[in-house]
Amino acid sequence: DTGVSQDPRHKITKRGQNVTFRCDPISEHNRLYWYRQTLGQGPEFLTYFQNEAQLEKSRLLSDRFSAERPKGSFSTLEIQRTEQGDSAMYLCASSLALAGETQYFGPGTRLLVL
Amino acid sequence: QKEVEQNSGPLSVPEGAIASLNCTYSDRGSQSFFWYRQYSGKSPELIMSIYSNGDKEDGRFTAQLNKASQYVSLLIRDSQPSDSATYLCAVNRPAGSTLTFGKGTMLLVSP
Repeated sequence: DTGVSQDPRHKITKRGQNVTFRCDPISEHNRLYWYRQTLGQGPEFLTYFQNEAQLEKSRLLSDRFSAERPKGSFSTLEIQRTEQGDSAMYLCASSLALAGETQYFGPGTRLLVL
Repeated sequence: QKEVEQNSGPLSVPEGAIASLNCTYSDRGSQSFFWYRQYSGKSPELIMSIYSNGDKEDGRFTAQLNKASQYVSLLIRDSQPSDSATYLCAVNRPAGSTLTFGKGTMLLVSP
């Protein structure tokens, strides 16, 4: 257990529904990252926050995806109008903003869109 | 050209042998390099980080970095069946702090 928690751990939804995932980082970590991983691939970066500021978003993050970190602590990732191609493991990681910083991953949320 | 490349495997080794996992990266400005282990259905778990050319040892694990050749490797000595997993190489992009991952190499250690 790295100290990063994610909720829910599993989510099954129907195409077109909205889903929201939550990540609680390690308490002293000021950076929080979202990645997506599909079968046979490595994690792919989606977006990251330093404190409450969203500093970077990947081209993978379509306008159906939105992420927030309102008070610089936990973060939420929402997917609107889900598509079957959104089925994946959504991973959250956190780190301290230092040179050579190490990212620690949570257990992930596995999403299945039917 | 893919940014981080790994042989997908599987790499099969007998118990007690040395497993050698390799990774190449394309961006010469990359500064930080990481190896994560991922068991099936689980999230990545940090094994090693390395920042300077040369070797870094931690228990049965040794990470090797050669920036001139843009090459990172992970050696696992005295491999155990519990080491059977996918090993992900990750590189910190020089322009930011996010990680770029390879697809991972599956390691199978047979008893």
